[in-house]
Amino acid sequence: DAKTTQPNSMESNEEEPVHLPCNHSTISGTDYIHWYRQLPSQGPEYVIHGLTSNVNNRMASLAIAEDRKSSTLILHRATLRDAAVYYCILRDNSGAGSYQLTFGKGTKLSVIP
Amino acid sequence: DAGVIQSPRHEVTEMGQEVTLRCKPISGHNSLFWYRQTMMRGLELLIYFNNNVPIDDSGMPEDRFSAKMPNASFSTLKIQPSEPRDSAVYFCASRSGSYGELFFGEGSRLTVL
Repeated sequence: DAKTTQPNSMESNEEEPVHLPCNHSTISGTDYIHWYRQLPSQGPEYVIHGLTSNVNNRMASLAIAEDRKSSTLILHRATLRDAAVYYCILRDNSGAGSYQLTFGKGTKLSVIP
Repeated sequence: DAGVIQSPRHEVTEMGQEVTLRCKPISGHNSLFWYRQTMMRGLELLIYFNNNVPIDDSGMPEDRFSAKMPNASFSTLKIQPSEPRDSAVYFCASRSGSYGELFFGEGSRLTVL
């Protein structure tokens, strides 16, 4: 599976936008970019995913570089409830090994009141 | 929707004892995953079921671990005999289809003394 690289930790002030980067230079054409987050003492939860175009949903936006070698998860207005570990994961949709998600270390986001 | 339900939420046992963790996936989901999370190793996939059939158990640490899915609404993960190094949070997740998002339970925190 193609790997992702994320910063270990980031800080943000409450009510400010947060940009969480992810590098995936070995991404293949069939890899989708998925983001999950894990709040303290909870299981991971889905945030967003995309292939080539930027994506928006009620939780966040996903900006994907034109060459797809990197992406950025954008939280438009961080709240204290957004403090979590954010995982960027590549998911192969070619049909080979596409059933699982392999979680890395993720980025621990701290939100400062 | 009740989400993925895991039990027990917390288990403390002594080395050598048998441990059984239980999972009820979301109704209608046909894929079920067992993950283990530790500080050292992060989130690791242990086993994956599709339509109640184990597809990939390559992540199961050793013969002391076994998992079953007797029907679409129930799965167990058993450790016999348990060892202190098995102490971790065990997550169950389910999914509809091959490409949908994963829904995680709240986890079962296991402590083996």
